[in-house]
Amino acid sequence: KQEVTQIPAALSVPEGENLVLNCSFTDSAIYNLQWFRQDPGKGLTSLLLIQSSQREQTSGRLNASLDKSSGRSTLYIAASQPGDSATYLCAPSPSGNTPLVFGKGTRLSVIA
Amino acid sequence: SQTIHQWPATLVQPVGSPLSLECTVEGTSNPNLYWYRQAAGRGLQLLFYSVGIGQISSEVPQNLSASRPQDRQFILSSKKLLLSDSGFYLCAWRDLRRANSPLHFGNGTRLTVT
Repeated sequence: KQEVTQIPAALSVPEGENLVLNCSFTDSAIYNLQWFRQDPGKGLTSLLLIQSSQREQTSGRLNASLDKSSGRSTLYIAASQPGDSATYLCAPSPSGNTPLVFGKGTRLSVIA
Repeated sequence: SQTIHQWPATLVQPVGSPLSLECTVEGTSNPNLYWYRQAAGRGLQLLFYSVGIGQISSEVPQNLSASRPQDRQFILSSKKLLLSDSGFYLCAWRDLRRANSPLHFGNGTRLTVT
């Protein structure tokens, strides 16, 4: 059974800092991995989807990397802004109809 | 473009009352549909998923049930709510006919059982 761990659970940084969020998973037989953002009281917004054949995926100031064999993914946020404050979740996806399994997330606070 | 609608946004119900939460997806056909629950301080828990009309898979035994009466409609129900059913309920969909289709979420329903 897939288990997903996200470290740290919470992070507070000053505005402008570059930061890295970590995600590890126990079953490396994944098809892709998604990173999501969740604002308080809201649903999840998909940020990036990185395919198992890819090493990196970029969108604006966000860069996700994937090391499938070691069961790790990182989300790099460059030049953080107060608007980046949210909870970030990762979810590796097995192939087929099997649903995604989520980590508990990293709660990020960017202080102006 | 595809959109997902989930309602109501908030709900306060007494213990023992019934529940019906509805989710619909527009702009696609034959999506995989999911119900997740997020309890305070805990992660996302998968409750049910459906790969087609009338096909429901349950992940966690509980007093909740799900139905898919139409292709793009997913309903979460309970006959008698428990206090422990309080939480944030999220509907999601993805199109597995497309390789690497992302999972998309609705805005959620905040359920408080009193």
